[in-house]
Amino acid sequence: DAGVTQSPTHLIKTRGQQVTLRCSPISGHKSVSWYQQVLGQGPQFIFQYYEKEERGRGNFPDRFSARQFPNYSSELNVNALLLGDSALYLCASNLDTLFYEQYFGPGTRLTVT
Amino acid sequence: AQTVTQSQPEMSVQEAETVTLSCTYDTSESDYYLFWYKQPPSRQMILVIRQEAYKQQNATENRFSVNFQKAAKSFSLKISDSQLGDAAMYFCAYRSPNAGKSTFGDGTTLTVKP
Repeated sequence: DAGVTQSPTHLIKTRGQQVTLRCSPISGHKSVSWYQQVLGQGPQFIFQYYEKEERGRGNFPDRFSARQFPNYSSELNVNALLLGDSALYLCASNLDTLFYEQYFGPGTRLTVT
Repeated sequence: AQTVTQSQPEMSVQEAETVTLSCTYDTSESDYYLFWYKQPPSRQMILVIRQEAYKQQNATENRFSVNFQKAAKSFSLKISDSQLGDAAMYFCAYRSPNAGKSTFGDGTTLTVKP
């Protein structure tokens, strides 16, 4: 079975622009979580979605939004990009909210110039 | 809120030797899960080992084992017979039951010398 997939792999944007990152969970997994990993730090939780509903939100501004589709794939949107948004964005899936083991995708490297 | 602290930004080990990575956490919960993840330069986060807080027995996965001290809120990772492929950033993570959020430490970079 395919693991968690994310697209694109790399992305370069200019300050003020908007970006959409995509994630496909492992087949059968209904929960998707998003993390931001700034260089040299551990991942920081942004969102969790389960059955198309937001189940958790980290300490990120409203410029960050996400959604989950009927096929359980997910998009993370970031508006009005800032230089500080440059990071590796990780998507993780797990079977459901009761199952604690998360599987991570390879990430999308976002560079804001 | 839970916090996870990894006090060793960098560690080095000789191939075939044993190394221990430290992790402490802070929580008021009695039930939770702890994880060690490995992130090679390719950046794919890989689960190394997990520990349920209600289990007294320390988890073991082949060359990887943990020393879980619940009262001390300590969760160290021991890598035995270190291999070149073990070189990576290692993250300790905490997760509450029924939560989609994992809280990570800032990682320890492990170098394995041939």
